Amino acid sequence: GQNIDQPTEMTATEGAIVQINCTYQTSGFNGLFWYQQHAGEAPTFLSYNVLDGLEEKGRFSSFLSRSKGYSYLLLKELQMKDSASYLCAVYSNYQLIWGAGTKLIIKP
Amino acid sequence: EAQVTQNPRYLITVTGKKLTVTCSQNMNHEYMSWYRQDPGLGLRQIYYSMNVEVTDKGDVPEGYKVSRKEKRNFPLILESPSPNQTSLYFCASSPDWGQPQHFGDGTRLSIL
Repeated sequence: GQNIDQPTEMTATEGAIVQINCTYQTSGFNGLFWYQQHAGEAPTFLSYNVLDGLEEKGRFSSFLSRSKGYSYLLLKELQMKDSASYLCAVYSNYQLIWGAGTKLIIKP
Repeated sequence: EAQVTQNPRYLITVTGKKLTVTCSQNMNHEYMSWYRQDPGLGLRQIYYSMNVEVTDKGDVPEGYKVSRKEKRNFPLILESPSPNQTSLYFCASSPDWGQPQHFGDGTRLSIL
């Protein structure tokens, strides 16, 4: 079967750094995406990795290791508005397979 | 403005009464998809379409139908809705498969 695992919930402090991990087992691999979803809203695209390594986009970075089936999303200089769910998704054979999401709680 | 538009945003209806959720995108995207989102389960793909007249089943297609007669529209049809189809539904599109998807605002369906 196809499976994507990520922690259910994480808590971090404003101004700090947090790393959200994602492991996947899929029949194919054509890229890994990270999305942000605020409560009651649609997911919005954050980052995309297709090759191994680190992709940096401002305060957000995403890392991929295809051999390990592993990715992480790194959020720096956390702000209260970063409180949201973070969704990991893998493109496998024309379908996007989603993890259940990690709810990130930011405390002042 | 580039967008994916879903209608209705909210609907409460009864078991067995056919309904259609419309989805339209104005970005000339090839790939479109429908998802349902339930607490603790994340997004699950219902159907997707690679192009006009090309549709395929996702992970949870039972009880749903779709059509793609024009590139911009991808309606989701529930022929005989049942309470287990109560969920939050999202339509999404991307220029082609494998590229980041742009989501509509969601449709919250309650089937009584």
